[in-house]
Amino acid sequence: DIQMTQSPSSLSASVGDTVTITCRASQDISSWLAWYQQKPEKAPKSLIYFASTLQSGVPSRFSGSGSGTDFTLTITGLQPEDFATYYCQQYKNYPRTFGGGTKVEIK
Amino acid sequence: EVQLMESGGGLVQPGGSLRLSCAASGFTFSSNWMGWVRQAPGKGLEWVANIKHDGSEKYFVDSVKGRFTISRDNARNSLYLQMNSLRAEDTAVYFCARDLSTDNWSHCFDYWGQGALVTVSS
Repeated sequence: DIQMTQSPSSLSASVGDTVTITCRASQDISSWLAWYQQKPEKAPKSLIYFASTLQSGVPSRFSGSGSGTDFTLTITGLQPEDFATYYCQQYKNYPRTFGGGTKVEIK
Repeated sequence: EVQLMESGGGLVQPGGSLRLSCAASGFTFSSNWMGWVRQAPGKGLEWVANIKHDGSEKYFVDSVKGRFTISRDNARNSLYLQMNSLRAEDTAVYFCARDLSTDNWSHCFDYWGQGALVTVSS
């Protein structure tokens, strides 16, 4: 199975900050990576697929980059509604696997 | 507007069975791969199963193989997860999700339902 490791597991930031979350795959997954946002007691929301393609309706302050084994999700100009937990997921192989999540909290 | 609505969750004893349903609307259901993802209380997301648009291919996480079955009824725009031999560790919120792929290979999920809670306890 492909292991997905996110870092950090949590971070504190202020409105307006730029936040970067890292996701590392245990083997080459090319660009088969997605990012999701989840708020407490809510369903996940799709943000990015193919490592860097924004889902329709997702604000442009979200961006993704990387390929192979190392990926990043960047939020430029953090907004109050962005405080949530973020997950990466590889979809190169089965079983699909998620990272452990990164909780973005208000400083 | 794409909508996914799960039903069928509840409390079940260890060793019991439960069937989750997911009613889909707002898109051509028969075109997309579909899947299930679960989340144990206070934990992260875990992919459970995927099914191809015509039901001809199915994939499962190892921990549910032989116990869970995924199926779909394209005439009823519905996705199902039949869960047998349930264990305490299957306790989770189960999300139905639409895969963005309409071709021969599944990709990732673009729309999610609100989730159905399954509690396995005596």
